Amino acid sequence: GDSVTQMEGPVTLSEEAFLTINCTYTATGYPSLFWYVQYPGEGLQLLLKATKADDKGSNKGFEATYRKETTSFHLEKGSVQVSDSAVYFCALSERYSSASKIIFGSGTRLSIRP
Amino acid sequence: DGGITQSPKYLFRKEGQNVTLSCEQNLNHDAMYWYRQDPGQGLRLIYYSQIVNDFQKGDIAEGYSVSREKKESFPLTVTSAQKNPTAFYLCASSIAGGPSTDTQYFGPGTRLTVL
Repeated sequence: GDSVTQMEGPVTLSEEAFLTINCTYTATGYPSLFWYVQYPGEGLQLLLKATKADDKGSNKGFEATYRKETTSFHLEKGSVQVSDSAVYFCALSERYSSASKIIFGSGTRLSIRP
Repeated sequence: DGGITQSPKYLFRKEGQNVTLSCEQNLNHDAMYWYRQDPGQGLRLIYYSQIVNDFQKGDIAEGYSVSREKKESFPLTVTSAQKNPTAFYLCASSIAGGPSTDTQYFGPGTRLTVL
């Protein structure tokens, strides 16, 4: 079945460092791809999404490009802040009927040092 | 202000008791979902509902039950048959049909602890 694999954490960076969190997927169709962020004790927030190959999702300085040839959707940010400390989930969506099924990666915990 | 609310935020249960988690949304979404999150893991789908009075099992439905009597509400009951119920439970919703169906919006979660 479809699956998502993302790099294991924790990832610890200094403020203003460049961030990459790797994510690869396997899917039989053409899923939409997502990055969700979870702050401590909270639910998930949609960070960005891409619905087709070569689409780039972006939000709050984060970017990810849907690469069909490498089945990847890596998350990047040019200069991280302490407030970016959270758990990041890569996910894909299988659409069926009038609902969708999201398959999540296991999450990557990011800690930013001041 | 539209969104999804879950209550309570923290819930404690004795072994052998059933407990019901609340999920309400005012986004006018047709589809609603329940997920379970365990420490250090991703989310796993328990149940989902595409429309009122209809719901389907997800990947880990055993020991859980749901109802969908109103569009806005999708309560989850954790029964005594669930062997390891301690977890963080997340409710989500999405627009039914169309290109935005695949984007799910999440509530703040309920942390259930079995004593």
